[in-house]
Amino acid sequence: SAVISQKPSRDICQRGTSLTIQCQVDSQVTMMFWYRQQPGQSLTLIATANQGSEATYESGFVIDKFPISRPNLTFSTLTVSNMSPEDSSIYLCSVERREEAKNIQYFGAGTRLSVL
Amino acid sequence: AQKVTQAQTEISVVEKEDVTLDCVYETRDTTYYLFWYKQPPSGELVFLIRRNSFDEQNEISGRYSWNFQKSTSSFNFTITASQVVDSAVYFCALSEGNDMRFGAGTRLTVKP
Repeated sequence: SAVISQKPSRDICQRGTSLTIQCQVDSQVTMMFWYRQQPGQSLTLIATANQGSEATYESGFVIDKFPISRPNLTFSTLTVSNMSPEDSSIYLCSVERREEAKNIQYFGAGTRLSVL
Repeated sequence: AQKVTQAQTEISVVEKEDVTLDCVYETRDTTYYLFWYKQPPSGELVFLIRRNSFDEQNEISGRYSWNFQKSTSSFNFTITASQVVDSAVYFCALSEGNDMRFGAGTRLTVKP
């Protein structure tokens, strides 16, 4: 299994500011993912972050707005830049590990962001 | 464009009943992945299964089973002998290339 620590667990931010969310894993993983879940909605994949390469963003998400760092195999950050109320969401970090010939995904507890 | 449809918005069953959650997808790719996730009331996301498009074998894991039918573009999820702890929102998802889409989710309530 994998234990994922995501910080902060929640934050209330002012419009126009930026917030960096940290994701720490207790073991080395190649694939890390960032998702967003807006209130009462389904999930959306923001980007895939592999160590040693640029993050790959899904349609509708751009690096200027959601810069991602992946400095090593156990850590990643997602920054939500120049925030607006529409960015109010739960942001989730996830990793994928190969276990018993299967790809298993684990999730952090999420960061609940409210933008005023 | 790819699309994932979970037509059942909410399902309510009584404990010990079997329940099937439907997932229908659209894709033009021949290589893709299908997923199911569980989100209980506590909010944390739990990965249940990932299946690639070349593996149509059905899978069983305890009380959970998945039926992948390429002919009907469906990846349905069945819970046998449901329990109250199965109450959650269940999401189906499709991934192809760098694009991943989630269904709207099905809220399952299992009553004692």
